[in-house]
Amino acid sequence: GESVGLHLPTLSVQEGDNSIINCAYSNSASDYFIWYKQESGKGPQFIIDIRSNMDKRQGQRVTVLLNKTVKHLSLQIAATQPGDSAVYFCAENKGSGANNLFFGTGTRLTVIP
Amino acid sequence: DAGVIQSPRHEVTEMGQEVTLRCKPISGHNSLFWYRQTMMRGLELLIYFNNNVPIDDSGMPEDRFSAKMPNASFSTLKIQPSEPRDSAVYFCASSRDSARGNTIYFGEGSWLTVV
Repeated sequence: GESVGLHLPTLSVQEGDNSIINCAYSNSASDYFIWYKQESGKGPQFIIDIRSNMDKRQGQRVTVLLNKTVKHLSLQIAATQPGDSAVYFCAENKGSGANNLFFGTGTRLTVIP
Repeated sequence: DAGVIQSPRHEVTEMGQEVTLRCKPISGHNSLFWYRQTMMRGLELLIYFNNNVPIDDSGMPEDRFSAKMPNASFSTLKIQPSEPRDSAVYFCASSRDSARGNTIYFGEGSWLTVV
């Protein structure tokens, strides 16, 4: 029978290039968003967050952009390195508490040396 | 600083057996979460505690699953009896408190296989 499951979008980039990972969120009332990185065999690791009163936030080599009009979030990684290879999840907070954190399906980033 | 500590890291058990997963949150964190990750459903919240009290257990699949937090530094997730469909990675996570904007830190996960 056909295997049913989550089909992770994949992105392959050359080492040193910039990466852009996209995420569409579902709830227009969500006002807090987080990007997590999950390496093989490990738990999700916090990368960067952004609140809905901002359009852009920068960290070390990473930038998150938020477009509330189209409910779109992106994570930009500058000068991608092999250690950046992982699955990247966006998560949205739909309510008033930290418990209301809903994760997307993730994008697998592969960095080609 | 120590992160969220989970045990066991890997467990293989036979269908019908009881499984107990353990978690030690980051010291000083008042909120603790149990998540399950599968290929079929991705990362799902099962239950979360605030100040050792279960706040939302709507994600717990069924009565075979139970979670406790007897003190601020320890929580368990129990499956009894276990079934093959429970095979997944179970993550424990913690945050400083339950307010929005507090970063949730994950453990390395407990990889459960039920045969």
